[in-house]
Amino acid sequence: QVQLQQSGPGLVKPSQTLSLTCAVSGFSISSGGSSWSWIRQPPGKGLEWIGYSYHNGVTYYNPSLRSRVTISVDKAKNQFSLEVTSVTAADTAVYYCARRYSSSPEDVWGQGTTVIVSS
Amino acid sequence: EIVLTQSPATLSVSPGERATLSCRASQSVSSNLAWYQQKPGQAPRLLLYGASTRATDIPDRFSGSGSGTDFTLTISSLQSEDFAVYYCQQYNNWPPFTFGPGTKVDIK
Repeated sequence: QVQLQQSGPGLVKPSQTLSLTCAVSGFSISSGGSSWSWIRQPPGKGLEWIGYSYHNGVTYYNPSLRSRVTISVDKAKNQFSLEVTSVTAADTAVYYCARRYSSSPEDVWGQGTTVIVSS
Repeated sequence: EIVLTQSPATLSVSPGERATLSCRASQSVSSNLAWYQQKPGQAPRLLLYGASTRATDIPDRFSGSGSGTDFTLTISSLQSEDFAVYYCQQYNNWPPFTFGPGTKVDIK
């Protein structure tokens, strides 16, 4: 059974860097055809794509966030990570990691991490 | 960026009744359209992909149709556990993949 377990701080100060990790179990992050996504949901709002990465490091970012976002894959630890730099209150959201397999959309999701940007 | 519009914003339905949700894309997404269900405090759950293919363990009361720009999610007989917010998502055109604003299905 594939499971994604998220970790990271729930409170980040403005202008600092938000860092989250998603540990994958029951599936190899290096499996062909799989990619690894981050999606966020501001309070009371809808879902926003952040970006995704293949295990070989090829990444795709939402143009609205590209200058501040990095998604990386650690094959040795079977996990992937998100960094968002220079955060503001607008980055306050529930952040989700998820798996995309083959040409299908996200089929397995992490539990979500609430991140509040506040001093 | 492809914009998805969902209607209605809220749908009030009695248990056992049929619910029909709509999703319209600003340009063709072929059949690369998914539907998700989200309950409060939970991550979205994939219901359908490829416009009409049910994901693993999704009951057959959920069905989808459409291609191009117009799509429909039908719940044939609403159960108590089906009251939730439903999002459509296009994964045909990047960047970025986009979600609709959601339809809330609540109890009438």
